[in-house]
Amino acid sequence: DTGVSQDPRHKITKRGQNVTFRCDPISEHNRLYWYRQTLGQGPEFLTYFQNEAQLEKSRLLSDRFSAERPKGSFSTLEIQRTEQGDSAMYLCASSPRSSGELFFGEGSRLTVL
Amino acid sequence: GENVEQHPSTLSVQEGDSAVIKCTYSDSASNYFPWYKQELGKRPQLIIDIRSNVGEKKDQRIAVTLNKTAKHFSLHITETQPEDSAVYFCAANRANNLFFGTGTRLTVIP
Repeated sequence: DTGVSQDPRHKITKRGQNVTFRCDPISEHNRLYWYRQTLGQGPEFLTYFQNEAQLEKSRLLSDRFSAERPKGSFSTLEIQRTEQGDSAMYLCASSPRSSGELFFGEGSRLTVL
Repeated sequence: GENVEQHPSTLSVQEGDSAVIKCTYSDSASNYFPWYKQELGKRPQLIIDIRSNVGEKKDQRIAVTLNKTAKHFSLHITETQPEDSAVYFCAANRANNLFFGTGTRLTVIP
């Protein structure tokens, strides 16, 4: 499968714990995005990488959230000191160019108890 | 950032009828407007997109229209089928990013 893959698909954690999600984009795509989606809402932009550079981060994003893409390939999204409000589906997407189609992964569903 | 509003939030149609979903955007610099379909438990997938240099684009039963002056664009699905039932999201770009509407749950009644 050459699509965008995310791991883990599901994560249940207790409030206050740290969690990390991984995204492997389509190999030739240099743009990588993280979105968050809650029930009944559209995907909400979190952050964006072009190659290894993090070019934009949503102002809504708490400093408990950090993302990396160290070698311009896979990316990780870490949430520290999780809160119940962090429960959501975290979607990763990649694209070969600016203002082009986003190819989404299946998402990582986070439940914070 | 870009503000994208989408209406209606839910839409039920009889099989064979048409469905129309409308979106407005705020950033006059936006020039790319895709529509994504998300089936239950699945990833969003692009179904059609339009760029600001055209006013309409059609792909079989799906069409999108764009009015840049009014800053709104619409998705039209004709001859709806039960497999069209899903949540549809519009989006508009700002620089390199896409901002999504809140979605429309379309139900096609057989």
